[in-house]
Amino acid sequence: DSGVTQTPKHLITATGQRVTLRCSPRSGDLSVYWYQQSLDQGLQFLIQYYNGEERAKGNILERFSAQQFPDLHSELNLSSLELGDSALYFCASTPGLAGEFYTGELFFGEGSRLTVL
Amino acid sequence: TQLLEQSPQFLSIQEGENLTVYCNSSSVFSSLQWYRQEPGEGPVLLVTVVTGGEVKKLKRLTFQFGDARKDSSLHITAAQPGDTGLYLCVSMDSNYQLIWGAGTKLIIKP
Repeated sequence: DSGVTQTPKHLITATGQRVTLRCSPRSGDLSVYWYQQSLDQGLQFLIQYYNGEERAKGNILERFSAQQFPDLHSELNLSSLELGDSALYFCASTPGLAGEFYTGELFFGEGSRLTVL
Repeated sequence: TQLLEQSPQFLSIQEGENLTVYCNSSSVFSSLQWYRQEPGEGPVLLVTVVTGGEVKKLKRLTFQFGDARKDSSLHITAAQPGDTGLYLCVSMDSNYQLIWGAGTKLIIKP
C-alpha cells in the first residue's frame, strides 16, 4: 500500500461526457503528479501541483483540467470525452519538489481505469 | 529535450533465464530511477542510482549506472514469473522535470 488513494478505480462513460478523478496523496506529501497510461504504453505526464499551486504542465489537453485543494487532495477533470481518452490515470505524490540533487521516490496510487464508449 | 530510450520494448523469456534491459539518453543524467509496474497496479520504485559507474543489487536484480551517466542497465538473474511487469526508467531534465522512458514489458513464462 503506497498510501496514495485514487477513486474511482473503474469508470465507464460515453463520449462527450465529463468525469472527475480524485487523488488523496500520502499524508504529508505536498506534491501531486497526474499521469495517463494507455494500453501497454509508458506514462505520459499531464500535470503537477505543489502545495495547491500548479507547478508543471505536460501534454495535457485543453479538455482536461486539474486542481489541488487546501487539504492537498487533487482532482483531474476530463471533459468532452473521446474514445482515445480511454486509459489508466495515475496519481503520484512526493514530499517536496524535484531539485538538483533529487533522489526522491514517487508513490503511485493504483490508478483509475477510464473506459469511454 | 532529453529523451530516455528503453530497449527492448518487449521481452518474453522462460523462467530461470537471465536478461538485461537498457535505458539510454543522449544527455547526462543527474540521477536515474528504475520502477516496476505489475499488471493492474501503479509503478513501484526499485532503485535510485546517482554516481557514474555505480552498481546496486537488489536480490536477483543488478542495476548499473554508466560511467558517463548517460545510460543504465538492469540485469535479472534466474528470472521468475514474479518478475513479470513493465520496467520504467526515469530521470530529470535540466528544468528538474521528470522524464520517463516508454518502458520494457517483461513476461517470464513458467
